Order: sequence, then C-alpha cells, then structure tokens
Amino acid sequence: GQNIDQPTEMTATEGAIVQINCTYQTSGFNGLFWYQQHAGEAPTFLSYNVLDGLEEKGRFSSFLSRSKGYSYLLLKELQMKDSASYLCAAPSSGGYQKVTFGTGTKLQVIP
Amino acid sequence: DGGITQSPKYLFRKEGQNVTLSCEQNLNHDAMYWYRQDPGQGLRLIYYSQIVNDFQKGDIAEGYSVSREKKESFPLTVTSAQKNPTAFYLCASSIGQTSGYEQYFGPGTRLTVT
Repeated sequence: GQNIDQPTEMTATEGAIVQINCTYQTSGFNGLFWYQQHAGEAPTFLSYNVLDGLEEKGRFSSFLSRSKGYSYLLLKELQMKDSASYLCAAPSSGGYQKVTFGTGTKLQVIP
Repeated sequence: DGGITQSPKYLFRKEGQNVTLSCEQNLNHDAMYWYRQDPGQGLRLIYYSQIVNDFQKGDIAEGYSVSREKKESFPLTVTSAQKNPTAFYLCASSIGQTSGYEQYFGPGTRLTVT
C-alpha cells in the first residue's frame, strides 16, 4: 500500500523561502506528484519527480530522494497568492494511474 | 477550451435520496477518477476508470456507483447507503493509464445532505 506524510500547516513570510516536506512509503515507486489547491478549488499540477534530484520551475522547485522516501517542494520569493494547500501524491505500483494523496500542507503566507 | 466540468457547484439533498454528480471532459483523456475530500483530510479515491465501459473501486467505494458509457463522461451516484455523504467531490482525468501523467481536476461539487 501507499502511505504519505506531510506537515499539516506552515506559516511563512511574504518574500521568503519555504520548504514543504513529504515522506512516503510505497509498495513500488512510480514517481511523486505535487499539487497546489486553493481553498474551495480544484488541485492543480505543480510537478512530477521520478528521478533523484532537484527540478526547478520558476519560483517552485521539487526535490526527490528515492532511497530516503523523501521529497520536498521549495517555494521561493513567496507571494500572498501562494497561500494554499500543497498536496504530495504517489501513483500506485503496477503501472496503473491510481494515485494516493497525502492530507496536504496548508501554507499561510503573511505580510 | 478543453477542460473538465462538474455540475452543479453546490448540491443539497435530503437524507435517503440518491443523487448523481456529473463529470464531463473534452480533453480526450482515457482515465477518469472520482475523489472525495473532507476537511483536514486528503483526497480519497472513490472510483476510477481507465477506459470506456470499465471501472474499478477505489479506497472508499461503498455507497457509491459509477458508469463509463462514454469517454467524455463519468457520472457518480451517491446512494442512500453512503453513511456520510456530505463532502466536496472532485472529478479528474488523465491522458493515460500508466503512471506519470498528471491529473486534471474539475471545479468540484460540494454536496450537503441533511
């Protein structure tokens, strides 16, 4: 089965950098997703990592260590609009697109 | 514009009634999914379909039913057997059946059963 853990809440200051961690235990590894979800809205895709290392996309970067079962999402130059929940998610093994989502980390950006 | 639509955005029903939530996509995606989201919890998979006329139970399928008669459509019925139906329901789709494809989500339907 899949088990995903991430912190429930975080607070960070506008303009700062914040790192949101995710640890996972999966029966087989098929990559790791990060999604952003604003309150009351649908999640939107941020990143997908399947190889170890850091992938950068503008202000957002995602890191993966398969040996440690660990990922993080790094948000730079925080803006107020980054206040949202960030969901870590892992596809199941066996090649099927069945994804297990973590409970999400609610990030509050303060002035 | 391509995307996923869910209607209605808000739905109110009396206990004991079945209710069907619609989900339509024009992205030409093979795979479609239904999730439920409760406060403080992550998305939990109800049903998923990898291809037309085929679907599988997710982690919390009891009290729900689906159909996939057309590629574009994957309606979810919340039956009276579902003990706690009040929740935010999200439909999603992805290109393929294999892992690595991101999911595109609809705007969600917030169902309240009293």
